Amino acid sequence: DSGVTQTPKHLITATGQRVTLRCSPRSGDLSVYWYQQSLDQGLQFLIQYYNGEERAKGNILERFSAQQFPDLHSELNLSSLELGDSALYFCASSLGTSGGQGNTDTQYFGPGTRLTVL
Amino acid sequence: SQKIEQNSEALNIQEGKTATLTCNYTNYSPAYLQWYRQDPGRGPVFLLLIRENEKEKRKERLKVTFDTTLKQSLFHITASQPADSATYLCAPVNQAGTALIFGKGTTLSVSS
Repeated sequence: DSGVTQTPKHLITATGQRVTLRCSPRSGDLSVYWYQQSLDQGLQFLIQYYNGEERAKGNILERFSAQQFPDLHSELNLSSLELGDSALYFCASSLGTSGGQGNTDTQYFGPGTRLTVL
Repeated sequence: SQKIEQNSEALNIQEGKTATLTCNYTNYSPAYLQWYRQDPGRGPVFLLLIRENEKEKRKERLKVTFDTTLKQSLFHITASQPADSATYLCAPVNQAGTALIFGKGTTLSVSS
């Protein structure tokens, strides 16, 4: 158990809908990362937050947004869902050394949320 | 653009043998490289980190090498066991980077 929790575990929805994925980082971790994993693309970095502020952005679509709250949990919002958004979404957390720029930080991944868009 | 390539096919070996997985990168100057293990349907788990000034790093049966001239990292599992069967991901990290850019992984199968 990594100490990172994600809810829900599974989500089935229809195209055009909007969903919210939730992540609670390990106790003491300030950085939260979101990744998308699909069969053909592998694990893709979406976005990072450090202590409530956006720190880095990857290949995140404009239909997707995220935030990190004062209690450090994070939510990933996916809207106008398309079939191609079906994937595993992972949240990871790390200590966030050097103000979130600590590139030797170990990232601890949650169990993931499996999103199926029908 | 930055590119990371791992053994594209599954690697099948016999128990007790050494498994060697390759990670090649282009258009990249990573200061660090991390290796993770991922089991089906689960999140990746950190294994090892190696810095650019370290040629080799070991942890129990695991050994990682980092050759910045060849732009390559090798990941070895000695005395492999069926429990080592999983997908292994490499993630080179730039000096200023924090987010991990992963290769697609190599799926290792160890048969008894």
